[in-house]
Amino acid sequence: DSGVTQTPKHLITATGQRVTLRCSPRSGDLSVYWYQQSLDQGLQFLIQYYNGEERAKGNILERFSAQQFPDLHSELNLSSLELGDSALYFCASSPTPGGAGYNEQFFGPGTRLTVL
Amino acid sequence: GNSVTQMEGPVTLSEEAFLTINCTYTATGYPSLFWYVQYPGEGLQLLLKATKADDKGSNKGFEATYRKETTSFHLEKGSVQVSDSAVYFCALRAPTGYGKLTFGQGTILTVHP
Repeated sequence: DSGVTQTPKHLITATGQRVTLRCSPRSGDLSVYWYQQSLDQGLQFLIQYYNGEERAKGNILERFSAQQFPDLHSELNLSSLELGDSALYFCASSPTPGGAGYNEQFFGPGTRLTVL
Repeated sequence: GNSVTQMEGPVTLSEEAFLTINCTYTATGYPSLFWYVQYPGEGLQLLLKATKADDKGSNKGFEATYRKETTSFHLEKGSVQVSDSAVYFCALRAPTGYGKLTFGQGTILTVHP
């Protein structure tokens, strides 16, 4: 158990809909990262937050957005869903810069999104 | 930009065989390098890491050495077990930026009894 929790575990929805994925980082970790794992694109970085602020963006579609709340949990919002958005979405967290294990990212179990 | 290339799979081995999964990278500066493992139906777990040239990461019988001259971080294990069947990902974390990981495409390993 990495200490990172994600809900829900599975999500099935229809095209055009909007969903929210939730992530709670490990206790004390200020950074949260979102990744998408799909068969054709592999594992890709989407976005990073640090202590409530967006820090880096990767290959994230404009239909997707995220935020990190004061209690450090994060949500990834996916809207106007398309079939191609079906994937496994991972959240990861890492310790504060300068702290022990700073280089490591700890991954949650993922949310499997199926768009029908 | 940064990139990671892994040997193509899938890799199928018999129990107790020697394992090598090749990984090479492209990055500026001195990235940190990682191997993650994903067991069926689970998330990614950090297997081992190396943060500077010539460092050797090791865990659970797996080893990988950070080779700056060949920009490689090959994963090895002397004697695989059926329980090692999983998908293995090589990844790098650039020295600049905010810590995102760049992953290779993953290598599926199947070990038969």
